[in-house]
Amino acid sequence: TQLLEQSPQFLSIQEGENLTVYCNSSSVFSSLQWYRQEPGEGPVLLVTVVTGGEVKKLKRLTFQFGDARKDSSLHITAAQPGDTGLYLCAGVRGTSYGKLTFGQGTILTVHP
Amino acid sequence: KAGVTQTPRYLIKTRGQQVTLSCSPISGHRSVSWYQQTPGQGLQFLFEYFSETQRNKGNFPGRFSGRQFSNSRSEMNVSTLELGDSALYLCASSFGGDQPQHFGDGTRLSIL
Repeated sequence: TQLLEQSPQFLSIQEGENLTVYCNSSSVFSSLQWYRQEPGEGPVLLVTVVTGGEVKKLKRLTFQFGDARKDSSLHITAAQPGDTGLYLCAGVRGTSYGKLTFGQGTILTVHP
Repeated sequence: KAGVTQTPRYLIKTRGQQVTLSCSPISGHRSVSWYQQTPGQGLQFLFEYFSETQRNKGNFPGRFSGRQFSNSRSEMNVSTLELGDSALYLCASSFGGDQPQHFGDGTRLSIL
């Protein structure tokens, strides 16, 4: 059983569409991070959310941390082919900052 | 600014052999964490080192070990390799505490 359930696992959309990726858990996390990974490379940090209810925006990407700090979402507006990649959510439990628990990942493909 | 450097990038071994992977963290970072990434299990935490001490350990057998040197560089060793050890091994570094982790591009290990 995954501690962090990420959905959907696969997403194939057309350029210009909006999408949301969800990351859910029954456990509380001190913080939650979102990464994007491209083939042959390591994950690249997009954002860290630490406060329940927090919303962070990064250009067309909006990240939200649930009030109870058990879930998070990533919303992309007007997706572009350059957004294609593997999106990963990862959480920190308690003060184990060096130990990230990852979701299974969402493979996003944006078609021109 | 140099990122996290992992060497080698690719490695091919046979069952029963052992292997050592290296990770040079971002300058100033004292925490180094290791992860295994496979298509079936996703990203799983192996262990974390901070100031040469193992601070957290994941659920991997004792064949997986690591160490950290005084300059924060870290090595990971896997003994008696099995086919199932084929994976992308990722290293991440941070300043420690609640600071985010930054990943290298990994070492792709293939076991024949």
